[in-house]
Amino acid sequence: AQSVTQLGSHVSVSEGALVLLRCNYSSSVPPYLFWYVQYPNQGLQLLLKYTTGATLVKGINGFEAEFKKSETSFHLTKPSAHMSDAAEYFCAVSDRATDDMRFGAGTRLTVKP
Amino acid sequence: KAGVTQTPRYLIKTRGQQVTLSCSPISGHRSVSWYQQTPGQGLQFLFEYFSETQRNKGNFPGRFSGRQFSNSRSEMNVSTLELGDSALYLCASSRDRKETQYFGPGTRLLVL
Repeated sequence: AQSVTQLGSHVSVSEGALVLLRCNYSSSVPPYLFWYVQYPNQGLQLLLKYTTGATLVKGINGFEAEFKKSETSFHLTKPSAHMSDAAEYFCAVSDRATDDMRFGAGTRLTVKP
Repeated sequence: KAGVTQTPRYLIKTRGQQVTLSCSPISGHRSVSWYQQTPGQGLQFLFEYFSETQRNKGNFPGRFSGRQFSNSRSEMNVSTLELGDSALYLCASSRDRKETQYFGPGTRLLVL
């Protein structure tokens, strides 16, 4: 069965600094990969997804992620953090055959002024 | 285009009661999935409906059930509520089963 591991339940960066949120998956075949963001008292919003093709995926709000099959990783990055990026971020995988979707435990991003 | 809407947004119930939550998907979306989000367990998949049929089910007891109507709106029901059912219940819709899911704001259920 596939699974998702997000390294670091809390990440704190200074405004303007690089954001790096880590995600590793376990799956017998490369799954579909997603990053979602959740702001307080709201549902999840899709940041970006990887299904096939180019391994560097660009999403909304300046975020991007790179699928590395050899490392079974899909880390999320943003060159310069904004205060508005403070939220909880979820990595998710979806099995290509069964559509079974699993979410990571989430990483809470704090941005310091 | 209107997003996924969930009603009610907040709900307080007592143990032993039952509750029904509603989800209206984005127009044209035929797949609706439900998730439970708690601080301890994170996001857990409950079930998925497509064209009024349950296509996938997570590892939850039979007290959790759902259905989908011909207009793709979906409801989930939890019977004999337990304290541990307190959670944010999220609904997500997609055009088709392998398409991107779009989430609603959730219904926050508190069981006392």
